[in-house]
Amino acid sequence: EVQLVQSGAEVKKPGESLKISCKGSGYTFTTYWIVWVRQMPGKGLEWMGIIYPGDSDTRYSPSFQGQVTISADKSISTAYLQWSSLKASDTAMYYCARLYGSYSNYWGQGTLVTVSS
Amino acid sequence: QSALTQPASVSGSPGQSITISCTGTSSDVGTYNLVSWYQQHPGKAPKLMIYEGSKRPSGVSNRFSGSKSGNTASLTISGLQAEDEADYYCCSSVGSSTLGVFGTGTKVTVL
Repeated sequence: EVQLVQSGAEVKKPGESLKISCKGSGYTFTTYWIVWVRQMPGKGLEWMGIIYPGDSDTRYSPSFQGQVTISADKSISTAYLQWSSLKASDTAMYYCARLYGSYSNYWGQGTLVTVSS
Repeated sequence: QSALTQPASVSGSPGQSITISCTGTSSDVGTYNLVSWYQQHPGKAPKLMIYEGSKRPSGVSNRFSGSKSGNTASLTISGLQAEDEADYYCCSSVGSSTLGVFGTGTKVTVL
């Protein structure tokens, strides 16, 4: 069974760093793109960027380029999303999903990130 | 790239049919038949309902159907049921970059 399991909720202060994770199982992790999606409170879904764990090819949507870093460790089938200096506006639910062609048929449960002083 | 445009809300009575539009440009929706649709209930992760414009994943009711005309994709829900009340998002590939863009989202209310 394909599963994407994300790390737990985080509460951070502005300026702090953070790395959240997404562990894949039940499939060959290195052969599917992983996409990260942001959902701010009460708002819609936003496509952040993707990574191909097989060779760590990473691409960012223009709005998120330079704002976050996407990485992966294929040895432990895990993708990451990280921030070097959080802002209050980073408060959101973050989802990872497995990309199959142009669509995502498996999603993680989401990680809630709260940034507040 | 800008978000695809969806109506903020659509409503219908049980048993009726509703259609949600998703308008993009010739660089996304209009170029490829690669639009997907997702259903999201409150507090839950999105669920794939339609992919590649009109295909249904296994387990998704045949009351859900997708189509496209020009730069606009559509999701039709026929025989509306209470459980269909949720937010719906379209998503399209953008150019040949493997990146994507979501629609603004539509809240479906069953009256």
